[in-house]
Amino acid sequence: KAGVTQTPRYLIKTRGQQVTLSCSPISGHRSVSWYQQTPGQGLQFLFEYFSETQRNKGNFPGRFSGRQFSNSRSEMNVSTLELGDSALYLCASSQAELIYSYEQYFGPGTRLTVT
Amino acid sequence: DQQVKQNSPSLSVQEGRISILNCDYTNSMFDYFLWYKKYPAEGPTFLISISSIKDKNEDGRFTVFLNKSAKHLSLHIVPSQPGDSAVYFCAAGKKSSGDKLTFGTGTRLAVRP
Repeated sequence: KAGVTQTPRYLIKTRGQQVTLSCSPISGHRSVSWYQQTPGQGLQFLFEYFSETQRNKGNFPGRFSGRQFSNSRSEMNVSTLELGDSALYLCASSQAELIYSYEQYFGPGTRLTVT
Repeated sequence: DQQVKQNSPSLSVQEGRISILNCDYTNSMFDYFLWYKKYPAEGPTFLISISSIKDKNEDGRFTVFLNKSAKHLSLHIVPSQPGDSAVYFCAAGKKSSGDKLTFGTGTRLAVRP
């Protein structure tokens, strides 16, 4: 079974631009969560989608948004990029049905650099 | 407010010795704790977990200890191997309510041959 895939792996953008990151979960997994990893903050939870609905949300500004498609693939969008958005963005999938699951499988991440 | 803290950003241990990674939390509502391991250019992988009804869980060379009164958990790796060199994240959540995981900032472990 293929693991979680994320595209692109690396991205360089300038301040003010917007960016879209993509995540394909493990086949059969319907829950997709997004995290931001920075050196000083560890992994910060962004949001979780299940069956095309946002089910959990972290404490990030509205510039960060996401969606999930009927095939469980998910995208994350960041608008009006700031230098502080430079980070590794990780996607994780799980089979969670009723509630958010801690048994998550992570993708390799997308390294975003904002200049 | 960092609810899960890993106060040691790095740790260096000789191969064959014990590695002890520590984690403190502030939210007494957390009832489930996990450790993840992360290699460069890869996503974190689940290592071991423990529920708040237990104080110890063991899986091969890895043991997690939970001290609820001190709000402290630790990961012991015995014996340490060079392949264990990675960043280790502890995480905590309220599984009973289906709440999201809160991660620590990570500890980089280097196991010297």
